[in-house]
Amino acid sequence: GNSVTQMEGPVTLSEEAFLTINCTYTATGYPSLFWYVQYPGEGLQLLLKATKADDKGSNKGFEATYRKETTSFHLEKGSVQVSDSAVYFCALSEGDYKLSFGAGTTVTVRA
Amino acid sequence: NAGVTQTPKFQVLKTGQSMTLQCAQDMNHEYMSWYRQDPGMGLRLIHYSVGAGITDQGEVPNGYNVSRSTTEDFPLRLLSAAPSQTSVYFCASSYNSPQETQYFGPGTRLLVL
Repeated sequence: GNSVTQMEGPVTLSEEAFLTINCTYTATGYPSLFWYVQYPGEGLQLLLKATKADDKGSNKGFEATYRKETTSFHLEKGSVQVSDSAVYFCALSEGDYKLSFGAGTTVTVRA
Repeated sequence: NAGVTQTPKFQVLKTGQSMTLQCAQDMNHEYMSWYRQDPGMGLRLIHYSVGAGITDQGEVPNGYNVSRSTTEDFPLRLLSAAPSQTSVYFCASSYNSPQETQYFGPGTRLLVL
């Protein structure tokens, strides 16, 4: 079945540092890929998505590129802020009405 | 728009008790779903619905029932609560499928003693 593997956290960074969160997936076909973010005490919200190979999703300074050859969708941000402290989830959906999530990566940005 | 609302925010149950977690959305979304969030396990799909009258099982459906009598509401029922059901529960909705942007509710924290 479909599955998503994320790098384990927690990740602690200083402001303006570069952030990378690795995500790899297993799927039988051509899934859509997502990054969702959960700020403290809130529900999840979509950060970005990509629906086909080589697509790049971007939002709020975050980027991720759908790499079919490496089955990856790594999240990057060039200069993080304290307000980026959150839990980040990689997820995939393959048209079967189900969304599969990774375990989540907790990111803490210190001033 | 209120978006996706969930009640209650927090609940304590004793083993064997039953309860219903409420979820409602006012965006006329056809697709609705329930997840549970446990430490180190991400979110796992419990049940989902693609429209009124249509529901199906997700990854971890045992111990939970759902129904969808209206487009707006998608309640989750625990018939006989167990400590293993202690978790944070999230309801989500999207227009037609999880491949579109899903909108999540604020969550219900459930403790089963």
